[in-house]
Order: sequence, then structure tokens, then C-alpha cells
Amino acid sequence: GQSLEQPSEVTAVEGAIVQINCTYQTSGFYGLSWYQQHDGGAPTFLSYNALDGLEETGRFSSFLSRSDSYGYLLLQELQMKDSASYFCAVSASKIIFGSGTRLSIRP
Amino acid sequence: KAGVTQTPRYLIKTRGQQVTLSCSPISGHRSVSWYQQTPGQGLQFLFEYFSETQRNKGNFPGRFSGRQFSNSRSEMNVSTLELGDSALYLCASSLASGGTTNEKLFFGSGTQLSVL
Repeated sequence: GQSLEQPSEVTAVEGAIVQINCTYQTSGFYGLSWYQQHDGGAPTFLSYNALDGLEETGRFSSFLSRSDSYGYLLLQELQMKDSASYFCAVSASKIIFGSGTRLSIRP
Repeated sequence: KAGVTQTPRYLIKTRGQQVTLSCSPISGHRSVSWYQQTPGQGLQFLFEYFSETQRNKGNFPGRFSGRQFSNSRSEMNVSTLELGDSALYLCASSLASGGTTNEKLFFGSGTQLSVL
């Protein structure tokens, strides 16, 4: 089967850096995605890693290690608007999501 | 380009009833996936349709079904509703080509279903 694990909650300070980890077990792996969802909103795509290494998009970066079945999302220069839930998702025969990490940011 | 449109936005039903939810994907997107979201449970995969064919199915009972039309619009049906079916139902579309999944999903705002 397929499973993903990520922390349920993370708290950080405005302006700081936070890393959200994701480990997965799956067969037939294509890549790892990250989505952001604000309360009451729809999930929105942040990044996708098909190959090992770091992908950077502005303040957000995502990393993948296929050999370790592990990835993370790195958020830099945190802003209050980054308070949201973050989901990792594995692309295999279908796209499966983790349970989400709720990121709370303190001033 | 219009985004993914889901109707209705809110729905209240009673146990035993059935419900049909609708999803219009982004123009040109041929893949439509459905997810159930409940607090603390993340997004649970229901099924995926591509070119009117169900390509993948999650671990939900047969009461949950769907279909896709030739214009890529999709509907999801839940029969004999149970209290536990109360959830946000999200539809997502993508440019997935035949035989593969695509990494970028575009989600609609969802239909919030309450079963009383």
C-alpha cells in the first residue's frame, strides 16, 4: 500500500525558517508534491520533485531523496500569511496525500 | 482561464438520502480526481477519471460512485448517506495524459456536505 507521514503541527516565528518533513512508502513512485491550504480554502500547488535534490521557488524550497523515501518543504522569511496547512502528496498510480501539517506563525 | 468549478458549495442531507456533486474542470484538462477531506484526516482519494474512464479508485465503499462526461465534466454520487459521510468533497483537475498521473492538481473550492 501507500502511506505518508508528516508532523501534524509546527509552530514558528515570523521571519524565521521552518522545515516540514514527509516520509513515504509507496510502489511505483513518480514524484513528491506539496500543497498549501488556508482555512476554508482549496489546496493550491506549491512544488513538485521528481528527481533527487532541491527545487527553489521564491521563499519556498522542496527537497527529495528517493533512496530515503523522504522529502521536505522549507519555508524561509516566514510571513503571517504562511499560516496554513501543508500537505505532501505522492504521485504513484494515483496521487495520495498525507494528513497535513498545520503551520502556526507567531509574531 | 476559469478555474475548477464545483457545485453546490454547501449541501445538507439526511441519512439514507443520496447526493450528486458536480465538477467542471479547467478547460483542456482531461483528468478529474475526487477527494474527501475531514478534519485531521487529510485528503482521502476517492477516484480518478480520464477520458470518461475510471482510471483509479480509492478504498471507499460502493456507495461512492462517479462518472465523467465527454466534455470532461464529472459527477460524484453518494447513495444511502451516513453521518460519517459529512465532509468537504474536493475535485481536482490536471493535464494528465493517458496512462500516467500528472504532478500538478488544480482544486476546486469543494462541496461541504453535512449529513444529519
